[in-house]
Amino acid sequence: SQTIHQWPATLVQPVGSPLSLECTVEGTSNPNLYWYRQAAGRGLQLLFYSVGIGQISSEVPQNLSASRPQDRQFILSSKKLLLSDSGFYLCAWSPRDQETQYFGPGTRLLVL
Amino acid sequence: EDQVTQSPEALRLQEGESSSLNCSYTVSGLRGLFWYRQDPGKGPEFLFTLYSAGEEKEKERLKATLTKKESFLHITAPKPEDSATYLCAVRNTGGFKTIFGAGTRLFVKA
Repeated sequence: SQTIHQWPATLVQPVGSPLSLECTVEGTSNPNLYWYRQAAGRGLQLLFYSVGIGQISSEVPQNLSASRPQDRQFILSSKKLLLSDSGFYLCAWSPRDQETQYFGPGTRLLVL
Repeated sequence: EDQVTQSPEALRLQEGESSSLNCSYTVSGLRGLFWYRQDPGKGPEFLFTLYSAGEEKEKERLKATLTKKESFLHITAPKPEDSATYLCAVRNTGGFKTIFGAGTRLFVKA
C-alpha cells in the first residue's frame, strides 16, 4: 500500500529565516505531487504541483519555491520567511492517470 | 471561474440524527468531485470521488450524491466519532488544479 510522509510535523521559525519542508511517498512510482497551504477556517490553496522529476508548476506567485529531486520526493522551500507564511502545509499525491489526491499528515508552520 | 461553496459552515447534531451537507460547485468541465474528512491538526482523509451526475457512493454511515450543480453528503444515524470537518473539492477537465471549499464542521453529541 502507499504511504505519504511529511516532516517536520511542527516548525517555529523567525521572520527572515529559510524554510525546507520535505514530503516523500512510498509504494508507488511516477506519482503526481502537490503542495497545499491551509489557513485557519479556509479551504486548501494549491501552491505547486509536479508531474515528474524537475517539473514544477506554480499556482500562486509568492516567496515559496518547490523542487522534486527524486521521483517520490517533493520539497517546499523559502529563502526568507514572512509572517504571512504561517499555516498548515499539506503534501498530496495522486496516481499518474487518476484524479483522486491522497494527503499527508501536514506540517504546522508558525513564523514569529 | 471554478468555485466551490459548502453549507452550512457548521452543523450540530445529536447522535442518531441524520442530516446532509451541501456542496455547490461551478466548473467549466467536471473531471471529478471529491469528499474528504479532516480531523483537527491532521491531513484530509479521502472519502469519495464522483464523476458524473446521478452517481452515488456509500461508505458506512456516509453516502455521497452528485447532480450537475451540487453534491450532498448524507450522514445516517451519526455517532460522535463522525465529528470532523468535511471538505468538498472539484477538478476541471482543463488541468491539475483542484478547488476546495471551506468545509463544513460537523459536531455530533452523544
